[in-house]
Amino acid sequence: ETGVTQSPTHLIKTRGQQVTLRCSSQSGHNTVSWYQQALGQGPQFIFQYYREEENGRGNFPPRFSGLQFPNYSSELNVNALELDDSALYLCASSGPGLAGGTDTQYFGPGTRLTVL
Amino acid sequence: QQQVKQSPQSLIVQKGGISIINCAYENTAFDYFPWYQQFPGKGPALLIAIRPDVSEKKEGRFTISFNKSAKQFSLHIMDSQPGDSATYFCAASGYSSASKIIFGSGTRLSIRP
Repeated sequence: ETGVTQSPTHLIKTRGQQVTLRCSSQSGHNTVSWYQQALGQGPQFIFQYYREEENGRGNFPPRFSGLQFPNYSSELNVNALELDDSALYLCASSGPGLAGGTDTQYFGPGTRLTVL
Repeated sequence: QQQVKQSPQSLIVQKGGISIINCAYENTAFDYFPWYQQFPGKGPALLIAIRPDVSEKKEGRFTISFNKSAKQFSLHIMDSQPGDSATYFCAASGYSSASKIIFGSGTRLSIRP
């Protein structure tokens, strides 16, 4: 088990509503990335936050937004929900890194969002 | 340019057999190739990873073979066990924690007792 936690575990919303998902990163990690995983598909990168600033974004519309807090926890907000937003939302945290090295991204268990 | 193509979509292997999953990538800027294992209701967990300066990496029963010229890499699971039954994703990224991970579409592996 990683130290990455996400809440809530499951969520049901209706089309047009707004939703906020939360992620607590693993201790010592300052980077949080969010991914959307549709049923039967691989995760797709939404965006990444590093030291409270957005640090890269995938091919998702502006109604997907996020925040990172001073303790490096993060939120994903989705406005004007659409049926196709139904998916597992994953956050992954990674550390500050060593020179010349990569940092493994550790994934949380995800939040299952259903839009009706 | 950003795709990672994975096959097969599903795989059934007898206990003790070898499971082989293949992936191909397009973007030559990728320089980190991890494999993730995902159980139902869980997030993906890093299984093993390789950089393109080596052709093979082995950790226990898991081996990655990498062919840089063909832009292909594969995961071999030796002596496959029922506990290996999961969905496996190949992926590619740049070599830093700031790099986004591009995932393949996944392979659902079932190990028959």
